[in-house]
Amino acid sequence: DAGVIQSPRHEVTEMGQEVTLRCKPISGHNSLFWYRQTMMRGLELLIYFNNNVPIDDSGMPEDRFSAKMPNASFSTLKIQPSEPRDSAVYFCASSLALASGGTTYEQYFGPGTRLTVT
Amino acid sequence: DQQVKQNSPSLSVQEGRISILNCDYTNSMFDYFLWYKKYPAEGPTFLISISSIKDKNEDGRFTVFLNKSAKHLSLHIVPSQPGDSAVYFCAAAFSGGYNKLIFGAGTRLAVHP
Repeated sequence: DAGVIQSPRHEVTEMGQEVTLRCKPISGHNSLFWYRQTMMRGLELLIYFNNNVPIDDSGMPEDRFSAKMPNASFSTLKIQPSEPRDSAVYFCASSLALASGGTTYEQYFGPGTRLTVT
Repeated sequence: DQQVKQNSPSLSVQEGRISILNCDYTNSMFDYFLWYKKYPAEGPTFLISISSIKDKNEDGRFTVFLNKSAKHLSLHIVPSQPGDSAVYFCAAAFSGGYNKLIFGAGTRLAVHP
């Protein structure tokens, strides 16, 4: 299994530009999570999906942030317009949530995208 | 309103000794706890977990202890090795929450020879 795939691994952009981060979850997983890691706030949950449906986006910092999951194998996190304070490492993670119980709650993380906004 | 807290940002331990990483939580409804390890430039990886119905889980050099009355869990690494140097995150989950995890801020462990 290839694991969770994120692209790009590094992104450098200028303030005001649109940034799109991409994620391919592990095949068969039905929950997908987007996180942001900063020194100040650690691992911050931005939004998560279950069966491609957004469940909770209360962690999205502003309207400049949006996320989509058009199908079970692809998700995007978009920032428009980007600002220097958005600079961070963004992680995508996927998991198999079992409705009938017996889940181990384990999430599998991608390698992250390091975003730098100048 | 941090529900999961790791109050020690860093810990330094000598190789061969025990490393103890601590985590406190505020919500008694959590029913599963996990520890993740993170190396630089990589995503966090799952290390060990424990259900709220247990008080100890062991996997090789790693043991997690859960004290529900104190709302406290700890990760013990014995013996510590230089390769254990990483950031360790504690996380908690509710049942029926689509596997959503609430993470602590992390503790950076440095194991020196």
